[in-house]
Amino acid sequence: DVKVTQSSRYLVKRTGEKVFLECVQDMDHENMFWYRQDPGLGLRLIYFSYDVKMKEKGDIPEGYSVSREKKERFSLILESASTNQTSMYLCASSFDRYEQYFGPGTRLTVT
Amino acid sequence: DAKTTQPNSMESNEEEPVHLPCNHSTISGTDYIHWYRQLPSQGPEYVIHGLTSNVNNRMASLAIAEDRKSSTLILHRATLRDAAVYYCILRIYNTDKLIFGTGTRLQVFP
Repeated sequence: DVKVTQSSRYLVKRTGEKVFLECVQDMDHENMFWYRQDPGLGLRLIYFSYDVKMKEKGDIPEGYSVSREKKERFSLILESASTNQTSMYLCASSFDRYEQYFGPGTRLTVT
Repeated sequence: DAKTTQPNSMESNEEEPVHLPCNHSTISGTDYIHWYRQLPSQGPEYVIHGLTSNVNNRMASLAIAEDRKSSTLILHRATLRDAAVYYCILRIYNTDKLIFGTGTRLQVFP
C-alpha cells in the first residue's frame, strides 16, 4: 500500500516563527503536492513538484515556500507564520494524473 | 477553472444504493471528472475517474451524462464506513491540478 506520512498531526506555533511541515512518501512517486483545507473553502493547492528540486506554484502560494531535495520528501515552509495560516495542511503524492494519495494531514494552529 | 456544484449533504440508509449528483456545466471537452472522498480525520482518498464513458470499479460506479454537463457517483450498497465528504472534481487535461469544491457530506444510517 502507498503510504504518505506527515511529520505531525497537530502543531502549535507562535506568530512570526518559521515552520516546517514534512511529508514523506514510500512509493517512488514523481509528483508531490501541498494543500490547505479550510471550512467552507475545501482544499486549495499551495505548491506542487514534479521532480527533485522542481516546484510549481499552486493557487495560493503567498506566504509559503517548498523544498524537495530528495524524491520521497516534500517540505512546506512558512517563513514567518501568521494567524491566517492556521489550517489543516494535507500532502499528497502521485505516479500518474489519475490518483493522488493523501497523508493524514497536519492541523496547524498559529497563535 | 471549471467548477462543480454538489448538494451540501445527503442521507442514506445502510445497504441502500446512493446516487451522488454533480453538475459541471462549464466542463470542456478534455476535462476529466474525478471523485474523491474524505472520511473523518483522514486525508481524501481516490474513488473513481472518467472522461466520457461510464466507469465501474470495486468502490463505486460513475455515470456521465451524454453532454458531460453532469455526472453521478453511485455507491451500490452504502455501509456505515461510506459516511464521508464526497468531492466531485474536474481535472484539466494534461495537468495534475485538482480543483476541490466543498463536496457533499453523506450520512449513512443503520
